[in-house]
Amino acid sequence: QVQLQESGPGLVKPSQTLSLTCTVSGGSISSGDYYWSWIRQPPGKGLEWIGYIYYSGSTYYNPSLKSRVTISVDTSKNQFSLKLSSVTAADTAVYYCAGARDYSFDYWGQGTLVTVSS
Amino acid sequence: QSALTQPASVSGSPGQSITISCTGTSSDVGSYNLVSWYQQHPGKAPKLMIYEGSKRPSGVSNRFSGSKSGNTASLTISGLQAEDEADYYCCSYAGSSTYVVFGGGTKLTVL
Repeated sequence: QVQLQESGPGLVKPSQTLSLTCTVSGGSISSGDYYWSWIRQPPGKGLEWIGYIYYSGSTYYNPSLKSRVTISVDTSKNQFSLKLSSVTAADTAVYYCAGARDYSFDYWGQGTLVTVSS
Repeated sequence: QSALTQPASVSGSPGQSITISCTGTSSDVGSYNLVSWYQQHPGKAPKLMIYEGSKRPSGVSNRFSGSKSGNTASLTISGLQAEDEADYYCCSYAGSSTYVVFGGGTKLTVL
């Protein structure tokens, strides 16, 4: 059973870069079975897809966030990461990492709340 | 504003059936059989309930079913139980530029 766990700072200052890491256990990121994804949910609101990465390094981003997002993968550590630059209060959300196949998200991390505030 | 349109809320009594709609366009729901549905209880991560429009992952009750007609996908829950009370989100592949879109979510209340 694949398990995912997000980690990173819970508080980021406006205009800075949000950085999160997702550690995958119970399976290899390099298996090629999944696209490794980031999804966020502002407090009290719906889900927003941020982007995917494949183990090969191919990336796919939400067009509305593409200019600020970088997703990378470290197969040696079985981890993938999210960087979101120039954050504002609108980026305050619970950030989830997930494993996706055929555009459905099979496995999810528990989520981590990131607050953007000075 | 979400790309896929869902009703904000639905309700039903235990034992009844309810259906949640998810309306997209010919660029997403209407063009691909790649709609998925997620159940989210308060403070928890979403859980995949339906994928590829109508398939259930292992372990998901057969009380949950999915379908599609044109640009609208639907999730039906039969034999409502108290534990079904949650938020439900639809999601669709939207082509090689947009990739993935979610609905705004529907709050299901079991009366």
